[in-house]
Amino acid sequence: AQSVSQHNHHVILSEAASLELGCNYSYGGTVNLFWYVQYPGQHLQLLLKYFSGDPLVKGIKGFEAEFIKSKFSFNLRKPSVQWSDTAEYFCAVIVYNQGGKLIFGQGTELSVKP
Amino acid sequence: GAGVSQSPRYKVAKRGQDVALRCDPISGHVSLFWYQQALGQGPEFLTYFQNEAQLDKSGLPSDRFFAERPEGSVSTLKIQRTQQEDSAVYLCASSSLGLAGGTVEQYFGPGTRLTVT
Repeated sequence: AQSVSQHNHHVILSEAASLELGCNYSYGGTVNLFWYVQYPGQHLQLLLKYFSGDPLVKGIKGFEAEFIKSKFSFNLRKPSVQWSDTAEYFCAVIVYNQGGKLIFGQGTELSVKP
Repeated sequence: GAGVSQSPRYKVAKRGQDVALRCDPISGHVSLFWYQQALGQGPEFLTYFQNEAQLDKSGLPSDRFFAERPEGSVSTLKIQRTQQEDSAVYLCASSSLGLAGGTVEQYFGPGTRLTVT
């Protein structure tokens, strides 16, 4: 079965530190890739997405992610985090032609210390 | 309304009771998804509608779970004879197109937190 793995359950950083959250998926076919974020008390919202083309994608709030097909990875990065980035981050995939359902990782909780 | 809404936001049920959870998608959105999110986990797919047709219900964990979208807009997820393991946040998402390729964004509602005692 397809699965998505996020390597870190909880990450604690100080403001201005760099961030990289790992994500790997297990499906070998065509996939669309997403990072969603859930700020405290808010809905899940899309941070960025990759469908095709340039494997380095940029999202909102200075986040970016790189799709490395050979490694089945889609890691999320930000050069300098802010306290307001404190949230839970979910990596997700959609397997092409399987109805559009998102398959999520278990999430990474990011805490940024001011 | 601008976004996906869900009601109730919180529901406490005694084991064995039936519950109904409602989702109002963004107006005009064709696709509607239900997900279940257990504590400390990512959301897991339950079922998918395109308009009123339920095209995928492979994620429903048992025959106690039933979902409908009779007019292609509002959807209801019903859980019969609730069990403690049904305690979770139930998320609804909608998107604007049918998703053969999955290339459009899904917009999520705030979820309904169900606690079964």
